[in-house]
Amino acid sequence: DSGVTQTPKHLITATGQRVTLRCSPRSGDLSVYWYQQSLDQGLQFLIQYYNGEERAKGNILERFSAQQFPDLHSELNLSSLELGDSALYFCASSGGGGNHEQYFGPGTRLTVT
Amino acid sequence: GQQVMQIPQYQHVQEGEDFTTYCNSSTTLSNIQWYKQRPGGHPVFLIQLVKSGEVKKQKRLTFQFGEAKKNSSLHITATQTTDVGTYFCAASENYKLSFGAGTTVTVRA
Repeated sequence: DSGVTQTPKHLITATGQRVTLRCSPRSGDLSVYWYQQSLDQGLQFLIQYYNGEERAKGNILERFSAQQFPDLHSELNLSSLELGDSALYFCASSGGGGNHEQYFGPGTRLTVT
Repeated sequence: GQQVMQIPQYQHVQEGEDFTTYCNSSTTLSNIQWYKQRPGGHPVFLIQLVKSGEVKKQKRLTFQFGEAKKNSSLHITATQTTDVGTYFCAASENYKLSFGAGTTVTVRA
């Protein structure tokens, strides 16, 4: 158990819909990262927050957004969903920036039908 | 951003044999991290290498960072069925990690 929690575990929704994925980092970790893992794209970095502020952005679509709240939990919002958005979404946390090891949550499997 | 290439993509190993997976970059890396993801699981941090030529061991796993800090390797000796999974290297730059595509390891008993 990494100490990072993610909800829900599974999500099935239709194209065009909007979903919110939630992540609680390890106790004491200020950084939260979001990744998308699909079979053909590997593990893709989406976005990082540090203590409530966006710190780094990766290949995140404009239809996707995230935020980190004062209690340090984070949410990833995915809107206007397409079939290609079906993937595993991981949240990870660390104590600092990218040079620190990251602890991954169990992931949310999103299926768009 | 930094890109790291991993080879091979797949590694089929006989139990008890050794194998090595490689991670290469065209640019100098500040550090390299290795993660393991078991089937159906999430990536788990294994190790971080920072210094040129650094070698670190974890039981049957040996991690090496190249002298030029452009490549890294993971060598596993006497492979066991518990070694099954995908091994990722990841390079950090500007607060983000760029993951290689991973080497997926299967073990023949």
